[in-house]
Amino acid sequence: KAGVTQTPRYLIKTRGQQVTLSCSPISGHRSVSWYQQTPGQGLQFLFEYFSETQRNKGNFPGRFSGRQFSNSRSEMNVSTLELGDSALYLCASSLASGVVYEQYFGPGTRLTVT
Amino acid sequence: AQSVTQLGSHVSVSEGALVLLRCNYSSSVPPYLFWYVQYPNQGLQLLLKYTSAATLVKGINGFEAEFKKSETSFHLTKPSAHMSDAAEYFCAVSYYNNNDMRFGAGTRLTVKP
Repeated sequence: KAGVTQTPRYLIKTRGQQVTLSCSPISGHRSVSWYQQTPGQGLQFLFEYFSETQRNKGNFPGRFSGRQFSNSRSEMNVSTLELGDSALYLCASSLASGVVYEQYFGPGTRLTVT
Repeated sequence: AQSVTQLGSHVSVSEGALVLLRCNYSSSVPPYLFWYVQYPNQGLQLLLKYTSAATLVKGINGFEAEFKKSETSFHLTKPSAHMSDAAEYFCAVSYYNNNDMRFGAGTRLTVKP
């Protein structure tokens, strides 16, 4: 069974631009969560989508948004990029929402904002 | 606020020695606790989780952790370290049975030959 795939793997953007990251979950998984990983703040939860609905949202500004499609694929968008948005963005999928379901992480998209 | 503290940002052990990575949580309600491992340039992989069943949890690759409510701890152990265990380890907590997990700062494990 194929794992979680994230595209692109690496991205360089300029401050003020916007960016869209994509995540394809494991086949049959309906929950997708996004996390930001930086050296300074560590791993932080962004949001979770389940059955095309946002279930939970972390403490991030409105510039960070996401969506989930009917095939469970998810996209994350960051508008008006700031230097501090440079990070590894990890996507994780699980069969359903709830920590009793194991989350499987993708390799991440490394975003660099210059 | 829910949080997790990992004691020691770097731990170094010799191959074959005991691995002990420390994690303490702050909580007034029963938590769900997790240990994840991250190898360079990869995502996280679940080692084990505690969801209010047995307090001693066995995970993959020979790791285990014990939930101690009185000490608010969930330390990760492995009797004998292998070179392949060198990685970064994260403790995480969730309180509401959702994927809004709060992660510790991580502990980088080095295994010396």
